[in-house]
Amino acid sequence: DAGVIQSPRHEVTEMGQEVTLRCKPISGHDYLFWYRQTMMRGLELLIYFNNNVPIDDSGMPEDRFSAKMPNASFSTLKIQPSEPRDSAVYFCASSFGTFHQPQHFGDGTRLSIL
Amino acid sequence: GQQLNQSPQSMFIQEGEDVSMNCTSSSIFNTWLWYKQEPGEGPVLLIALYKAGELTSNGRLTAQFGITRKDSFLNISASIPSDVGIYFCAGHKAGGTSYGKLTFGQGTILTVHP
Repeated sequence: DAGVIQSPRHEVTEMGQEVTLRCKPISGHDYLFWYRQTMMRGLELLIYFNNNVPIDDSGMPEDRFSAKMPNASFSTLKIQPSEPRDSAVYFCASSFGTFHQPQHFGDGTRLSIL
Repeated sequence: GQQLNQSPQSMFIQEGEDVSMNCTSSSIFNTWLWYKQEPGEGPVLLIALYKAGELTSNGRLTAQFGITRKDSFLNISASIPSDVGIYFCAGHKAGGTSYGKLTFGQGTILTVHP
């Protein structure tokens, strides 16, 4: 079975540029989560969706960050404009069901903002 | 921020030794999950626990959901070099506005010397 698929795997761009990260959740999963991982702060939940609807975006650091889920098989996380402090590994995860099911993670996008 | 205290932060062991790590919290959790992350990859689910007192094994791995619902441990028996990685505990907190959200520990970095 295909797992969570993220693209690109690596992104290097200059400060001020727009960055778009993409995620395809596991088919049939109705929850989708975006995380950011850094050495200093560990894994941080940015936002999550249920049935394509954003449920909690309290972890989104600033208005420069936005996320969408136009359908059940695709989500984007956008940073505009990007800053060096946004450099991190961004993970997408998905889960199935209503209550406390384990989340399955993609392999992440390693983002470097110069 | 993270509200799970995971220990130890790092372990350096010889191949063949047993490993034990744990997570504690001041909050009650409905589920406990243990993930392993290898370089360049996303966290991979190892064991999921759903009931207080539950003891579950997955090969050489054994994990338990604490009776108080505030802690969990993971044991690895007869460690091998491929056990190297970062191990994370995670859980779904009971009640409040945390529905669907996972809280993560800081991770335990495991190094196994051949």
